[in-house]
Amino acid sequence: AQSVTQLDSQVPVFEEAPVELRCNYSSSVSVYLFWYVQYPNQGLQLLLKYLSGSTLVKGINGFEAEFNKSQTSFHLRKPSVHISDTAEYFCAVAYNQGGKLIFGQGTELSVKP
Amino acid sequence: GAGVSQTPSNKVTEKGKYVELRCDPISGHTALYWYRQSLGQGPEFLIYFQGTGAADDSGLPNDRFFAVRPEGSVSTLKIQRTERGDSAVYLCASSLTGQGFDEQYFGPGTRLTVT
Repeated sequence: AQSVTQLDSQVPVFEEAPVELRCNYSSSVSVYLFWYVQYPNQGLQLLLKYLSGSTLVKGINGFEAEFNKSQTSFHLRKPSVHISDTAEYFCAVAYNQGGKLIFGQGTELSVKP
Repeated sequence: GAGVSQTPSNKVTEKGKYVELRCDPISGHTALYWYRQSLGQGPEFLIYFQGTGAADDSGLPNDRFFAVRPEGSVSTLKIQRTERGDSAVYLCASSLTGQGFDEQYFGPGTRLTVT
């Protein structure tokens, strides 16, 4: 069965520091990859997605992610985080048929002043 | 325009009772999804509608769970004989076509608590 693993459940970081949230997926077929963010008491919001083409994808709020097919990874990065980036981040994969998303368990990013 | 809305936002019910959770997708979106998010976990797929029909219900945990979308717009998730283990946030999402590359837009969720 397909699965998504987010290797870190919690990532504490100081403001203006860089951050990387790791995501690995299990699949030998083509996938579409997504990162969603969930701010406290809010719904899931799309940060960025990889469909095809360039392996470096840029999203909202200064986030970017790199698709690595050989390592089946899709790590999320930001060069300098802000307090407002404190949230839960979810990596997800979808396949062409039906489009249901398979989510990782989430990474709680906590940005401290 | 209006996003995906879900009602109620919170529902507390007693074990054994029946509950209905409603989802209003974005107008014009043909695909509608239900997910369940337990505490500390990522959302877990339940069921997917393409138009009025359930195209994939492989995520429904058992026959106490049922969902409908009779007119291809609003959907209702129905849970019979609720159990404490059903307590979770139930999320609804919609997308334009239902293809894997389509962005899914999520509602705020319904927090179900079974006492």
